Amino acid sequence: SAVISQKPSRDICQRGTSLTIQCQVDSQVTMMFWYRQQPGQSLTLIATANQGSEATYESGFVIDKFPISRPNLTFSTLTVSNMSPEDSSIYLCSVRDTEAFFGQGTRLTVV
Amino acid sequence: AQRVTQPEKLLSVFKGAPVELKCNYSYSGSPELFWYVQYSRQRLQLLLRHISRESIKGFTADLNKGETSFHLKKPFAQEEDSAMYYCALTMDTGRRALTFGSGTRLQVQP
Repeated sequence: SAVISQKPSRDICQRGTSLTIQCQVDSQVTMMFWYRQQPGQSLTLIATANQGSEATYESGFVIDKFPISRPNLTFSTLTVSNMSPEDSSIYLCSVRDTEAFFGQGTRLTVV
Repeated sequence: AQRVTQPEKLLSVFKGAPVELKCNYSYSGSPELFWYVQYSRQRLQLLLRHISRESIKGFTADLNKGETSFHLKKPFAQEEDSAMYYCALTMDTGRRALTFGSGTRLQVQP
């Protein structure tokens, strides 16, 4: 199993600013995943973060808007840049071996 | 592209009644199917996966490849089953990210 600590748990941000979300795992993992859950909707994969290489982004998500760092095998960050109210969502970090494990999520509100 | 469909946003039943949460998928390969559950104020967690073919908390789910379905069932619902349930799949290409359905909120009334 894996225990994931994600922070902040929530934040309220002004439009035009950026927020960096941190994800710490208690074991070494090859791939880490970042998901977004917009209000009333399901989880959508933003990108896959591998240590030592650039993240792989899904259709509709770009590095300039959601830059990701993966400095080692237990840590990753996701930055939501130049925020607008449409970015208000829950952002989730996840890792997977035989099953997927999730952080508690970051509830972001952009005003 | 793969897709997971959960047609019901909300399912409300009385305690002791049978429950079936529907999940259909579309994928041309051999997916691995899961049910995840999120209880109030808790993080998303695995309920069961089709490969293990086990029963967790009285829930079962059978993969029907002909109907491309993976419905979640429980014969007698309990109030503590009230939660958000997500069906998810991962592809057989070695890619390990999950594709989620839109989720079904189960309300079990006393």
